[in-house]
Amino acid sequence: AQSVTQPDIHITVSEGASLELRCNYSYGATPYLFWYVQSPGQGLQLLLKYFSGDTLVQGIKGFEAEFKRSQSSFNLRKPSVHWSDAAEYFCAVGRGGSTLGRLYFGRGTQLTVWP
Amino acid sequence: SQTIHQWPATLVQPVGSPLSLECTVEGTSNPNLYWYRQAAGRGLQLLFYSVGIGQISSEVPQNLSASRPQDRQFILSSKKLLLSDSGFYLCAWSSPRSGGYEQYFGPGTRLTVT
Repeated sequence: AQSVTQPDIHITVSEGASLELRCNYSYGATPYLFWYVQSPGQGLQLLLKYFSGDTLVQGIKGFEAEFKRSQSSFNLRKPSVHWSDAAEYFCAVGRGGSTLGRLYFGRGTQLTVWP
Repeated sequence: SQTIHQWPATLVQPVGSPLSLECTVEGTSNPNLYWYRQAAGRGLQLLFYSVGIGQISSEVPQNLSASRPQDRQFILSSKKLLLSDSGFYLCAWSSPRSGGYEQYFGPGTRLTVT
């Protein structure tokens, strides 16, 4: 069975500092990988995705993520955090073989940004 | 462009009352549709998904049901709400034509059962 682990429940960074949110998955083949962001009381917004090809993917709002097959990881990064980045971040994994698009979500990492 | 709507945005219902949450998608046809529930600190739990009109699959046994009476309409229902049904309910869609994995979420419905 697929599983997605986000080891950090809560992260606090200062505005302007760099950020890395961790995501590990368990799945035998190369999965489809996603990061979503959720502001309080809102739905989820897709930040970026990895299907194949270049393992470093760029997303919206200045975020990037790197797929590392050897570590089964897909960590999200941002070089300089803005106060508006404070939100909850979810990593999600899908497997190939169907058009259903079943995604498995991590439990999320809450990001707090200090001014 | 595609948009997804959910209503109501907020709902407070007593235990034992019925429930109907609606989700509609615009700007696409034959989408995959999903209902998730989000409880505090527990991430997203997939409740139901649908690949077409009248085709509903349930992920977990529960007090809820789903229906898809039209191509772009997805309804979540309950005959009698339980306290444990409280949570944030999210509807999402994806396109099977692009693999089905890229899911787009609605704004959600906050349900409080009292």
